[in-house]
Amino acid sequence: EAGVAQSPRYKIIEKRQSVAFWCNPISGHATLYWYQQILGQGPKLLIQFQNNGVVDDSQLPKDRFSAERLKGVDSTLKIQPAKLEDSAVYLCASRPGTGATEAFFGQGTRLTVV
Amino acid sequence: AQSVTQPDIHITVSEGASLELRCNYSYGATPYLFWYVQSPGQGLQLLLKYFSGDTLVQGIKGFEAEFKRSQSSFNLRKPSVHWSDAAEYFCAVGAGYGNKLVFGAGTILRVKS
Repeated sequence: EAGVAQSPRYKIIEKRQSVAFWCNPISGHATLYWYQQILGQGPKLLIQFQNNGVVDDSQLPKDRFSAERLKGVDSTLKIQPAKLEDSAVYLCASRPGTGATEAFFGQGTRLTVV
Repeated sequence: AQSVTQPDIHITVSEGASLELRCNYSYGATPYLFWYVQSPGQGLQLLLKYFSGDTLVQGIKGFEAEFKRSQSSFNLRKPSVHWSDAAEYFCAVGAGYGNKLVFGAGTILRVKS
């Protein structure tokens, strides 16, 4: 079974530029998460989708971050404009539903803002 | 809102010694509980999970965890640590609306030979 795919693996941009990350979840998984993991910290939930609807985006900095999940499958996370403090690993995870199931993680995208 | 506390930022154990990593959660009801492991540059891999039933759960790589409702804890244990266990370990809670998955800050395990 294919896992959660993310691209790119690495990205370096200058501050005030924009960047986008892509995630392809495991086939059939209705729930999709985007997490931000700053060096030395645990993953922080940015947004949770159930199919193509948003369940929780309370910690998403909506003035610069946006995310969408068209057709309830692939998802993109965008940052515009980026700040130095956005340097982190962005992890995508998917889960069959929101019940007694585990989440599967992609390898993440490491973003460096200079 | 639920939260997770992992009190130990770093732990160093000798190879072959036993290991216990602590995890405490804050939530009104019994949540779903998880332990994930992360090696450098990698994503998170599930070690074990607790949903209901037997409070002692077995996972991969010889790990186990015990859910103690009275202490709001879900500590991870391994009887004999191997050098390959060196990594960062995260406890997570799934609870609340939409079963949001919330992580602790992690514990870095170092294994000395």
